[in-house]
Amino acid sequence: ETGVTQTPRHLVMGMTNKKSLKCEQHLGHNAMYWYKQSAKKPLELMFVYSLEERVENNSVPSRFSPECPNSSHLFLHLHTLQPEDSALYLCASSPHRAREQYFGPGTRLTVT
Amino acid sequence: EDQVTQSPEALRLQEGESSSLNCSYTVSGLRGLFWYRQDPGKGPEFLFTLYSAGEEKEKERLKATLTKKESFLHITAPKPEDSATYLCAVRVGGYNKLIFGAGTRLAVHP
Repeated sequence: ETGVTQTPRHLVMGMTNKKSLKCEQHLGHNAMYWYKQSAKKPLELMFVYSLEERVENNSVPSRFSPECPNSSHLFLHLHTLQPEDSALYLCASSPHRAREQYFGPGTRLTVT
Repeated sequence: EDQVTQSPEALRLQEGESSSLNCSYTVSGLRGLFWYRQDPGKGPEFLFTLYSAGEEKEKERLKATLTKKESFLHITAPKPEDSATYLCAVRVGGYNKLIFGAGTRLAVHP
C-alpha cells in the first residue's frame, strides 16, 4: 500500500448504528486530519492530530469521535448520525504541520 | 473572518483554449496557499504551494501565481484529461489548518 488509504470506501448506515472509518498513511508523516466534503460546500476541517495529540477540533458534534492510536492510523467513530451527516469523509496527512497535506480517496457515507 | 473565494464556479473550454482560474482570499496572515486537483469520487491531489507574493510554480500545462490578495491557476493549451475540480486553500493558524474554497469545475472538450 502506498500513500493514504481509507476503508471502507462506501458506507450506508442507519441513524441508530455505530460504525468506524479507518485511515492509514504509509508516508511517514506525523500529522493527520479528518475533513468532511458535502455536496456544493467547501471542504470542512473536522479534526487535526499532530504527533498523535488532537490539536484542533472544529466544533464538531460529539456524534463524531476521532481516535489516533499512532502516527500511521486515524479512526473516526460514528454513532447516532443524522441524514445531514451524509457526505464524503476525507483523511489527510502531512510530513509536518506546516507542509502540504496528502489526501486519501475518501469514504462515501450515506445515513438513512 | 478568514475566507477563500474561487471563480468561476464552472468553466468549459475547448481543447487548446488557454484560461485562468481565480482564488481570492482574505486571511489574517497568509502562511501558504495551496492548489489541489480533485477528480470525481476521489480525494484531492496536491499540485502547488505558494508562500509569498510574486511567487510562481509550474507543472506541465499548469502555472500558479500569487499576489497579496489572490492566486491564479493558468492552464495553457488544456487537454480533456485536465478536466477536474480545482481547489484552492489557504493555511491559517499554527496547526496547518487549511480553509478551502468551493472549487472551480473545469471541463475540457475535444
